Amino acid sequence: GQQLNQSPQSMFIQEGEDVSMNCTSSSIFNTWLWYKQDPGEGPVLLIALYKAGELTSNGRLTAQFGITRKDSFLNISASIPSDVGIYFCAPQVQGAQKLVFGQGTRLTINP
Amino acid sequence: NAGVTQTPKFQVLKTGQSMTLQCAQDMNHEYMSWYRQDPGMGLRLIHYSVGAGITDQGEVPNGYNVSRSTTEDFPLRLLSAAPSQTSVYFCASRSGNYGYTFGSGTRLTVV
Repeated sequence: GQQLNQSPQSMFIQEGEDVSMNCTSSSIFNTWLWYKQDPGEGPVLLIALYKAGELTSNGRLTAQFGITRKDSFLNISASIPSDVGIYFCAPQVQGAQKLVFGQGTRLTINP
Repeated sequence: NAGVTQTPKFQVLKTGQSMTLQCAQDMNHEYMSWYRQDPGMGLRLIHYSVGAGITDQGEVPNGYNVSRSTTEDFPLRLLSAAPSQTSVYFCASRSGNYGYTFGSGTRLTVV
């Protein structure tokens, strides 16, 4: 089966710092999704990437779909306290209904 | 617009008991899924459905049954609860090729 590696598993940063996390896979995907989960809540979609090489921004968040279609990264600039949570990558094969999740990156911010 | 609604939010079961976790969505989404989330394991797919009357197994289907008699509802049944099924369960739905919308979860403890 496919292997999906999300790193780092956890990050402890100061407010205002930039954050970078990534996912790599042994398989090729057509879509990369990034989700954020706040404590006690379900994951919420942040960014969706549909084309290899695509770079998409959503406010302070930027995500890119790797050229090989086996990886993606998510950057957060100038972190703020509400960025705390767990971030998941979730790649998908086109036409497949299953969404596979990475193990998550837990972000903690020190004020 | 309620989105994806899960009930109950919390549940404690004794080993061997059965119960049904309810999931309903009011967005007319054709695709629905059940995930479980355990510490350090990310989200793992239990069962999914591509439309009323159609269901299929995910990564960890053992011990769980599903049915999809209507577009709106996708209940998850635990036939004989085991401590290993202690987890947080999330239901999600989507339409087309966009990302899933998640419910707020059911926290299940089996003692």
